[in-house]
Amino acid sequence: KNEVEQSPQNLTAQEGEFITINCSYSVGISALHWLQQHPGGGIVSLFMLSSGKKKHGRLIATINIQEKHSSLHITASHPRDSAVYICAVAHTGTASKLTFGTGTRLQVTL
Amino acid sequence: ETGVTQTPRHLVMGMTNKKSLKCEQHLGHNAMYWYKQSAKKPLELMFVYSLEERVENNSVPSRFSPECPNSSHLFLHLHTLQPEDSALYLCASSQDLRGGQFFGPGTRLTVL
Repeated sequence: KNEVEQSPQNLTAQEGEFITINCSYSVGISALHWLQQHPGGGIVSLFMLSSGKKKHGRLIATINIQEKHSSLHITASHPRDSAVYICAVAHTGTASKLTFGTGTRLQVTL
Repeated sequence: ETGVTQTPRHLVMGMTNKKSLKCEQHLGHNAMYWYKQSAKKPLELMFVYSLEERVENNSVPSRFSPECPNSSHLFLHLHTLQPEDSALYLCASSQDLRGGQFFGPGTRLTVL
């Protein structure tokens, strides 16, 4: 079993829908990252969080340390949100060493 | 986003070739990273450098040789690679080892 599990693996939504992507992890962490990878391969860091909730535009990330679970929400989804969303955790005491989930492939259609 | 650049963007090489991947960051960061992303597998950390010193070598075969001549540049020297080394190689940088990482666009490597 991977240390970082994401669900769903694939997600198709219509424009305007509210989207939730989940990440569960099994190790102690110092921080959790949400990343976005577009088809060309480049990765953009969306959030780094260690507690609570962060919001940036239409994106919201939450984390529950006790339950070892994080969610990424996208409100009013748009086709340009189509990408692979990757959850990664920094282990306790090793902030630089990230363990990655396999990603959630999101396709938003008109 | 031009904070972290990588060259070349695509590379095809034979198993006997020697080539190098280059990463440059313009963000004034002190830490740099090499990652490997194979098809249908999670990203894997390969190397971490902090202030030009290697602080992490994640059991990477010796046919991959990193070099960090200064805090802005990171190289990955490749020699006698195998077809299974074909992957997307991503570079990242962060202010320090605790900071959020900024990724480059990656080099897609194909080994024939």
